[in-house]
Amino acid sequence: EAGVAQSPRYKIIEKRQSVAFWCNPISGHATLYWYQQILGQGPKLLIQFQNNGVVDDSQLPKDRFSAERLKGVDSTLKIQPAKLEDSAVYLCASSLDQLRTSSDTQYFGPGTRLTVL
Amino acid sequence: DQQVKQNSPSLSVQEGRISILNCDYTNSMFDYFLWYKKYPAEGPTFLISISSIKDKNEDGRFTVFLNKSAKHLSLHIVPSQPGDSAVYFCAASAWGAGSYQLTFGKGTKLSVIP
Repeated sequence: EAGVAQSPRYKIIEKRQSVAFWCNPISGHATLYWYQQILGQGPKLLIQFQNNGVVDDSQLPKDRFSAERLKGVDSTLKIQPAKLEDSAVYLCASSLDQLRTSSDTQYFGPGTRLTVL
Repeated sequence: DQQVKQNSPSLSVQEGRISILNCDYTNSMFDYFLWYKKYPAEGPTFLISISSIKDKNEDGRFTVFLNKSAKHLSLHIVPSQPGDSAVYFCAASAWGAGSYQLTFGKGTKLSVIP
């Protein structure tokens, strides 16, 4: 079974530029997550989708971050404009159905390491 | 407010000995706990989990213990192997904002010395 795919793996941009990350979850997984992991911290949830609907985006800085999962499969996370403090690893994860059970395991992709100069 | 705490940023253990990684939590609504392992340049990988109705779960060399009254869980690795060297994240699940969500600790970097 293929895992969660993410691209690009690395990205370096200047502040105020825009950037987009792509995620393809495990086939059949209804729930998709985007996390931000700053160096030395644990992953922090930015947004959670159930199929193509947003379940929770309370921690997404909506003035600069946006995300979509139009067909309930792939997802894109965008930052525009980027700030220095956005430098982090952006992780995508998926699970079968987090709405039904707390024991639904999340599977993570390799992440995109973003450096904002 | 950090709801899941891993107070040891790093731990070094000799190969063959036991590794004990600790995690404390403050939210009594957490009902499921997980440990993830992360190698450099890779995403976290699920390792082992435990439900709040149990106090122990074992999978090969890995055992997780849960003490609900103390709001404490620990991961035991016996015997430790050099390939276990990684960052270990403790995570806890609770219902919030329309679904179950995970809260992660900051991680503990385990180094197993050959």
